[in-house]
Amino acid sequence: NAGVTQTPKFRILKIGQSMTLQCTQDMNHNYMYWYRQDPGMGLKLIYYSVGAGITDKGEVPNGYNVSRSTTEDFPLRLELAAPSQTSVYFCASSDSGQFDNEQFFGPGTRLTVL
Amino acid sequence: AQKITQTQPGMFVQEKEAVTLDCTYDTSDPSYGLFWYKQPSSGEMIFLIYQGSYDQQNATEGRYSLNFQKARKSANLVISASQLGDSAMYFCAMREGSNTGKLIFGQGTTLQVKP
Repeated sequence: NAGVTQTPKFRILKIGQSMTLQCTQDMNHNYMYWYRQDPGMGLKLIYYSVGAGITDKGEVPNGYNVSRSTTEDFPLRLELAAPSQTSVYFCASSDSGQFDNEQFFGPGTRLTVL
Repeated sequence: AQKITQTQPGMFVQEKEAVTLDCTYDTSDPSYGLFWYKQPSSGEMIFLIYQGSYDQQNATEGRYSLNFQKARKSANLVISASQLGDSAMYFCAMREGSNTGKLIFGQGTTLQVKP
C-alpha cells in the first residue's frame, strides 16, 4: 500500500492564480481531511469528508474548495491564491470517525504564494 | 470548545536522558482520544502513541509513554533514553467522539537532543 499520496510536493504560485492539490489514498478509508500548517505552528483543519459525495468545513475553510467524487481522491482547490495561503498542506485519511481511530498523513505539499 | 495547549515552545535534553513534553486539553465530551505525533525536519507527520479517555492504564510504545492524568486534563509524552534522532517537533492532538474524526492540534514543542 502506498498509503496517502499528495502531489505536487512543492509549488510556487503568483497572487491570484489557482491550483488544485491532489490527494489519493489506497486504504479504502471513508474519512479524509485537509490540514494546513503555518510556519512554527500546529495543523489546522480546512475541510473534511466522511465519504464520497459528503464534505464539510473545518476551522479555516475560506479561500478553499473541495470535492469528493470517489473514495480514493480528495482534491483541494485554491482559488485566487493569496500570500496568507503560503503554508504546508497535509492530507490525511482514517477508516472511521471514531475517537480511537488513527489518522494517516500524506507527506505534505509546500505551497508558496508570491 | 475543545482545545489543546502545549506550553513549551522548545526543549533541550541530553542524549540518553528522559524528557517530558507537556500537553493539556479541554473538552466536555467524555469520549475522546489523545495522540502524539513527531514531525522531523523532513516534514512528515509520524504517529507515536495514542491514549483513549476510557483507558485505565497509561499507553506505552517502546521508548514513548503517555502520562495521562484525566482529572488534570493532561497527557504528557515521556521519551526515555533520548536519541539524536528524537530531535524534532512534537504535536499533541485530540479527537472527540463526534464521529467526524477531526483532530485538534496543539502548537507543538521543538525538542533538541544534545550529544
